[in-house]
Amino acid sequence: QKEVEQNSGPLSVPEGAIASLNCTYSDRGSQSFFWYRQYSGKSPELIMFIYSNGDKEDGRFTAQLNKASQYVSLLIRDSQPSDSATYLCAVSENAGNMLTFGGGTRLMVKT
Amino acid sequence: DADVTQTPRNRITKTGKRIMLECSQTKGHDRMYWYRQDPGLGLRLIYYSFDVKDINKGEISDGYSVSRQAQAKFSLSLESAIPNQTALYFCATRAPSGKNEQFFGPGTRLTVL
Repeated sequence: QKEVEQNSGPLSVPEGAIASLNCTYSDRGSQSFFWYRQYSGKSPELIMFIYSNGDKEDGRFTAQLNKASQYVSLLIRDSQPSDSATYLCAVSENAGNMLTFGGGTRLMVKT
Repeated sequence: DADVTQTPRNRITKTGKRIMLECSQTKGHDRMYWYRQDPGLGLRLIYYSFDVKDINKGEISDGYSVSRQAQAKFSLSLESAIPNQTALYFCATRAPSGKNEQFFGPGTRLTVL
């Protein structure tokens, strides 16, 4: 059974700090990796995706992928209170047709 | 207007009742999905459809059925609701190519008493 593991948190960081969210996965056949943000009571929205080993940056967000170690992480620089949400990691064997989600990490950014 | 809509947004029902949750989309996507979300368990796939004549079971299809009435409409039914089907249900769509993003509807909160 494919598994995607995340620390449920809450992860608490001060405003302006770097938040580091981690995710591990069991299926070595996974090819694409996604980070969704979900505000309380709302639907998930995609913030980052990564396919290749290494780092991918988009504004304050950086996704990091290490396929050999089967982990993917999301760094949020200059964290803002508006970043407070649950972050869902999802992996796919096939470019996103079928996603397996982790349980999510709740991030709290404190002023 | 929202691209992916779900009705109803909230529903309280009793054990044994038949319930239908509806999803409509204006994104023109051919791929549609139904997920349920329980606290701490992320999203789990119930059923998915890649076109009108294609229906596939997901990870947790037992107790559920679906109907793809048109490219834009995908309905989820609980034939005889039970309390452990109390959850938040999301519909999602995806284009066959491009960014590979799944777009989620606003969700339906279902409570089975």
